[in-house]
Amino acid sequence: AQSVTQPDIHITVSEGASLELRCNYSYGATPYLFWYVQSPGQGLQLLLKYFSGDTLVQGIKGFEAEFKRSQSSFNLRKPSVHWSDAAEYFCAVGALRGSQGNLIFGKGTKLSVKP
Amino acid sequence: DGGITQSPKYLFRKEGQNVTLSCEQNLNHDAMYWYRQDPGQGLRLIYYSQIVNDFQKGDIAEGYSVSREKKESFPLTVTSAQKNPTAFYLCASSAWNTEAFFGQGTRLTVV
Repeated sequence: AQSVTQPDIHITVSEGASLELRCNYSYGATPYLFWYVQSPGQGLQLLLKYFSGDTLVQGIKGFEAEFKRSQSSFNLRKPSVHWSDAAEYFCAVGALRGSQGNLIFGKGTKLSVKP
Repeated sequence: DGGITQSPKYLFRKEGQNVTLSCEQNLNHDAMYWYRQDPGQGLRLIYYSQIVNDFQKGDIAEGYSVSREKKESFPLTVTSAQKNPTAFYLCASSAWNTEAFFGQGTRLTVV
């Protein structure tokens, strides 16, 4: 069965420090992979996505993610975190080709940023 | 401005009542989706529709119903059969093979 695991429920980093959020997936074929961000009480915003090609994907707000097929991982990174990055982050895998809204989500990682 | 509008933002339901959550999009997207979000559970797919007058059950469709009579609209009814309806509900839409855009959500509380 398709699934997404985000091992870290809550992470706290200092402002200016680097960030890595982990995501592991289980999917039979080449996956479509996504990272979304959600501020409290709000909808989701797409940070980046991977379909094929270059395994290092650049997104908005200075985020990047690397697809590693051998490790079934799609970790999200940012070199220097800003206080405004505090939010919840969701990794997702596309469950239906052609339908990018048909997603299987991880349970999310809440990011707190210390001044 | 193009986007997805969910209404109301907050909704309160008495035990045994049906309630309908509205989702409207003006992005001209063919596909629309409903997700339920519970704390610490991520998002789970309730229903989706890839074209007008057609929709499919997602992972947790029991106790919910939808309709898709117009391309722009995909209302979700939470029926009395849904035993634990208190949650945050998110609607999304997408064009063929493009990213999904999400609305701002409706928080439903049973009182």
